[in-house]
Amino acid sequence: NAGVTQTPKFRILKIGQSMTLQCAQDMNHNYMYWYRQDPGMGLKLIYYSVGAGITDKGEVPNGYNVSRSTTEDFPLRLELAAPSQTSVYFCASSYGSGISYEQYFGPGTRLTVT
Amino acid sequence: QKEVEQNSGPLSVPEGAIASLNCTYSDRGSQSFFWYRQYSGKSPELIMSIYSNGDKEDGRFTAQLNKASQYVSLLIRDSQPSDSATYLCAVNSGTYKYIFGTGTRLKVLA
Repeated sequence: NAGVTQTPKFRILKIGQSMTLQCAQDMNHNYMYWYRQDPGMGLKLIYYSVGAGITDKGEVPNGYNVSRSTTEDFPLRLELAAPSQTSVYFCASSYGSGISYEQYFGPGTRLTVT
Repeated sequence: QKEVEQNSGPLSVPEGAIASLNCTYSDRGSQSFFWYRQYSGKSPELIMSIYSNGDKEDGRFTAQLNKASQYVSLLIRDSQPSDSATYLCAVNSGTYKYIFGTGTRLKVLA
């Protein structure tokens, strides 16, 4: 049981380039999330999904897109990378939301846009 | 704006002492409360969850919840240098949204 996995671990992008951050979970969780974490700023929700085919925006969705074609995978797409997207990105999953639904995190992707 | 507040620290305690980490939240509808440990450069790791008023113990960790005061705390007994990390408090109100505090940095001095 690998839990939540993310690739790549590190990436450097030039301004205007695009990339996809991969996330997968093998816990049969319905809910998946993408967060970004900037120094001293806490975790900000980018997008979330409540099941295959269903996604919605979080607090900071601009400049990002997601898809959820399977229960296991939840990729995050960055289009036209900007320096403001330099951050650490975490994918997370849970069985659902609400009481007792604990959220588990992947190892993260450190992205630098120059 | 629903918020979760934590003192950023650093909180320094000597090895073997009890570390006390505190968190307050603004949404009275909050139902689930979580403590995560995050080592520098690593992802948040769930260490405790608590859902009802009172204490919940797991090894050296005790989570305490007081919904009337909108306060949740984490006690770490017999603190070890390996406990040095940032501790994140997270709150859920029964929806998709987990609200995280910015974390308290704990330093355990050998």
